[in-house]
Amino acid sequence: ETGVTQSPTHLIKTRGQQVTLRCSSQSGHNTVSWYQQALGQGPQFIFQYYREEENGRGNFPPRFSGLQFPNYSSELNVNALELDDSALYLCASSRKAGVPNTQYFGPGTRLTVL
Amino acid sequence: DQQVKQNSPSLSVQEGRISILNCDYTNSMFDYFLWYKKYPAEGPTFLISISSIKDKNEDGRFTVFLNKSAKHLSLHIVPSQPGDSAVYFCAASGGLYNAGNMLTFGGGTRLMVKP
Repeated sequence: ETGVTQSPTHLIKTRGQQVTLRCSSQSGHNTVSWYQQALGQGPQFIFQYYREEENGRGNFPPRFSGLQFPNYSSELNVNALELDDSALYLCASSRKAGVPNTQYFGPGTRLTVL
Repeated sequence: DQQVKQNSPSLSVQEGRISILNCDYTNSMFDYFLWYKKYPAEGPTFLISISSIKDKNEDGRFTVFLNKSAKHLSLHIVPSQPGDSAVYFCAASGGLYNAGNMLTFGGGTRLMVKP
């Protein structure tokens, strides 16, 4: 059983640019959630995708958007990057939305915005 | 408003002794709680979970206790090993206004187990 994978591992961008992060869910999982972890803090929920639709969103502006594909992989897109977007971006997959379930995390993508 | 809090940023324990990590929450609608361990440059690794219908769950050296009336949970690690040194996150999910199984995390506690 393959775990959650994310790409790229590290990324450096400048303010105003756009970035796309990718995630492949664990086999058998159909729900993908994205989290932002700033230095010294716990992960914060960005949004969740289930059956290719957004299934919930945290307190993040619309310039954070996502997609889920038929194979359950997912993308996180961030437009108009700001310095405060520098963080570790984590993807987590789970079996089903709407019921208590355990989420399994990927290794993350470290984004630095200069 | 932090709905999940880990008030101890760090904890140091001698190898072989018990480690107790604490977590408090404010949202009474949370009904599922999890502990994750995180090493530097890695994603959080799931350790153990507990549903609100239970007050204790064990898995090997790890035991989670839930006190719903106090809105408090704790993770016990017995015996502690140097490889347990990591940042531990408490997380919670559930609630009427909570989409799916979104997790709300605490700020983490850094555990150091000394040989």
